[in-house]
Amino acid sequence: GAGVSQTPSNKVTEKGKYVELRCDPISGHTALYWYRQSLGQGPEFLIYFQGTGAADDSGLPNDRFFAVRPEGSVSTLKIQRTERGDSAVYLCASSLNLPGQGTSTQYFGPGTRLTVL
Amino acid sequence: ILNVEQSPQSLHVQEGDSTNFTCSFPSSNFYALHWYRWETAKSPEALFVMTLNGDEKKKGRISATLNTKEGYSYLYIKGSQPEDSATYLCASSGNQFYFGTGTSLTVIP
Repeated sequence: GAGVSQTPSNKVTEKGKYVELRCDPISGHTALYWYRQSLGQGPEFLIYFQGTGAADDSGLPNDRFFAVRPEGSVSTLKIQRTERGDSAVYLCASSLNLPGQGTSTQYFGPGTRLTVL
Repeated sequence: ILNVEQSPQSLHVQEGDSTNFTCSFPSSNFYALHWYRWETAKSPEALFVMTLNGDEKKKGRISATLNTKEGYSYLYIKGSQPEDSATYLCASSGNQFYFGTGTSLTVIP
């Protein structure tokens, strides 16, 4: 079946601009996660959704970052007033179960590489 | 925040050599330990999920063990091949997923 998809694959923007990154999870997966991966680092947790609601947004670095999942499937990560330090690969993952339930294996999308000039 | 640590950071081995690397994690609030393989320009791919102390999983030439009491997991690759070259990530899941920084493996033909 179809895996997790993310669009765009690459995004180049200028400092101060607004960007939206989209994630289409695997159909039927309850949980959806956003991560940010900077060079030489492992994926850094940003936020995860249980259905439509953000179950944990403690990883969002500041109030310029916001994410939604209005119908419990597709999610959009929104970044306002982008800064050069926001440049990274943004990964999305989905899982059938929530953390701590079942095996909760995450299936990752290919990521969106964001470059802020 | 849980500190999940992986070592070594990078590794170069000759084709045919066997190798292993380590993931250490805090044992508090632990539910499962996950290993992922991440090839350049691809998505991380799930290899193993382990929950019980003493668990061992195997997939072809790759295997993993889990010690929840001391908080570590080993990933073993037997007879490394160039196609095994990738970054191997581990993650501990409890209420959240916490990833290590990965071990970058390069297998030299």
